[in-house]
Amino acid sequence: SAVISQKPSRDICQRGTSLTIQCQVDSQVTMMFWYRQQPGQSLTLIATANQGSEATYESGFVIDKFPISRPNLTFSTLTVSNMSPEDSSIYLCSSGPPSSSYNEQFFGPGTRLTVL
Amino acid sequence: DAKTTQPPSMDCAEGRAANLPCNHSTISGNEYVYWYRQIHSQGPQYIIHGLKNNETNEMASLIITEDRKSSTLILPHATLRDTAVYYCIVRPNFGNEKLTFGTGTRLTIIP
Repeated sequence: SAVISQKPSRDICQRGTSLTIQCQVDSQVTMMFWYRQQPGQSLTLIATANQGSEATYESGFVIDKFPISRPNLTFSTLTVSNMSPEDSSIYLCSSGPPSSSYNEQFFGPGTRLTVL
Repeated sequence: DAKTTQPPSMDCAEGRAANLPCNHSTISGNEYVYWYRQIHSQGPQYIIHGLKNNETNEMASLIITEDRKSSTLILPHATLRDTAVYYCIVRPNFGNEKLTFGTGTRLTIIP
């Protein structure tokens, strides 16, 4: 399996500031994904990050608000820019399978963001 | 949009089998049924997946109807640690395909 860690685990931020969330996978993976989970809601995909190319954003999410980096096969960052209280959510990173032995995706523990 | 329908919540007594239904009447021929669960304050965890045959692993069993329009996840001997939100997802069987989460079923195991 793939073990995923995220930093920070939680943060409280002021509106108008930006926060960068880091995601580290213990195996090389082709695809990484970023999800948002608003309070009491299900997960919504923000974007797919493929190493060496621009991230692919889902409808309703834009690069200026959620810039993503994917510098190598084990690491990605998501920045939440110019934050407002509506950005208060849990942000989760996931990875595609680390090898052909797996068909599932693996998830990090999430970053709980509160914007004041 | 999610392509599955699940009851919003269910209760199950500890030690009994928990049977979680899922409707996926528009499933395509190349799509598999995946189940994930999310325990409170954790990331989702993969449970099991299948195409048309019933599947069993150390966590659960998956029963898929012959027409593939619905399925049931079975936790054979539920424990308090199985309390979670369970998500049924249909997608092609490529690990790098994105997951589209519906609202899931909140399963509560009662002592």
